[in-house]
Amino acid sequence: AQSVTQPDIHITVSEGASLELRCNYSYGATPYLFWYVQSPGQGLQLLLKYFSGDTLVQGIKGFEAEFKRSQSSFNLRKPSVHWSDAAEYFCAVGAQNQFYFGTGTSLTVIP
Amino acid sequence: DGGITQSPKYLFRKEGQNVTLSCEQNLNHDAMYWYRQDPGQGLRLIYYSQIVNDFQKGDIAEGYSVSREKKESFPLTVTSAQKNPTAFYLCASSFSGDTEAFFGQGTRLTVV
Repeated sequence: AQSVTQPDIHITVSEGASLELRCNYSYGATPYLFWYVQSPGQGLQLLLKYFSGDTLVQGIKGFEAEFKRSQSSFNLRKPSVHWSDAAEYFCAVGAQNQFYFGTGTSLTVIP
Repeated sequence: DGGITQSPKYLFRKEGQNVTLSCEQNLNHDAMYWYRQDPGQGLRLIYYSQIVNDFQKGDIAEGYSVSREKKESFPLTVTSAQKNPTAFYLCASSFSGDTEAFFGQGTRLTVV
């Protein structure tokens, strides 16, 4: 069965510091991979997606993610975090006409 | 502007009542989805539809019902059989199940 694991429930970083959010998936083939961001009380916004090709993908708001097949991972990174990046981040897999979401990582940014 | 519209944003329901959440999209997407979000549990799939007049149960369909009479609309009814309906409900759509999903702004349902 397909599954997505985000091992970090909550992360706190200082503004200006680098960020890496982890995501591991379980799927028999190469899935379609997504990262979404959610502000409190809002819907989800797509940050970036991986379908095929270059394993390093660029997204909006300065985010990037790297697909590593050998590790079944799709970690999200940002070189310098801004206070406005504080939000909930979800990793998702698209497979068999469905989307499977991780439980999310809550990001707090301190001045 | 193209997008997904969920209404209402906030909804209060008395125990024992059915309530319907609206979801409309003008993105010409074939697939539509309903998710329930509870703190610490991520998004759980309630129902999804790949085409008009067809839909499938997700992981937590009990106590919910849907219809897909039009491509643009995918309303969700929370019935009195749903034991713990207080949650944040998200509607999404996509061209197919493997392309990216676009989300509405959500409806927060509270049972009073």
